[in-house]
Amino acid sequence: DSGVTQTPKHLITATGQRVTLRCSPRSGDLSVYWYQQSLDQGLQFLIQYYNGEERAKGNILERFSAQQFPDLHSELNLSSLELGDSALYFCASSVDGAPDSPLHFGNGTRLTVT
Amino acid sequence: AQSVAQPEDQVNVAEGNPLTVKCTYSVSGNPYLFWYVQYPNRGLQFLLKYITGDNLVKGSYGFEAEFNKSQTSFHLKKPSALVSDSALYFCAVTHSGSARQLTFGSGTQLTVLP
Repeated sequence: DSGVTQTPKHLITATGQRVTLRCSPRSGDLSVYWYQQSLDQGLQFLIQYYNGEERAKGNILERFSAQQFPDLHSELNLSSLELGDSALYFCASSVDGAPDSPLHFGNGTRLTVT
Repeated sequence: AQSVAQPEDQVNVAEGNPLTVKCTYSVSGNPYLFWYVQYPNRGLQFLLKYITGDNLVKGSYGFEAEFNKSQTSFHLKKPSALVSDSALYFCAVTHSGSARQLTFGSGTQLTVLP
């Protein structure tokens, strides 16, 4: 068990809708990352937060947004959903957000857009 | 830009035989290299990393990896494979001055045959 908790495990919704994915990092970790995993794109980095502040941005669409709260949990908001947004969304955390720190991944939220 | 190549989508090996999962990378500056493993319906788990120092890095579950700067490779190895090692393996790279986060390879499915 990595200590990273993601909810919900599964989400099925329709095109055009909005969903929120939630992540609680491992105890003591200050940095949270969001990744998208799909068969055609592989693992894509979306965004990173450190102690509540955005630190790095990757291939995150404008329809997507995220934040990290004072208690360090994070939420990823996906809006105007399209069929192509169907994927496994992972949250990961690390102790200090440094490039040499290993990431600890949650078990993911599987999003299906119909 | 940084990139990772895992040239083999699938590797099959008999239980008890040595295994190798290949990874080559491209990065500006000194690389930070990682191996992660993903079991079905789970998040990625950190196996080992190379930051600096000895080119042979030992990690979890008996795995090791050899950093080769001239060949820009970081192959994952294990002297004696177990059926329970069957999983999806990802190589990832970043570097010390990176504002970008880990770039992952496309993954290699390892199957250990009993």
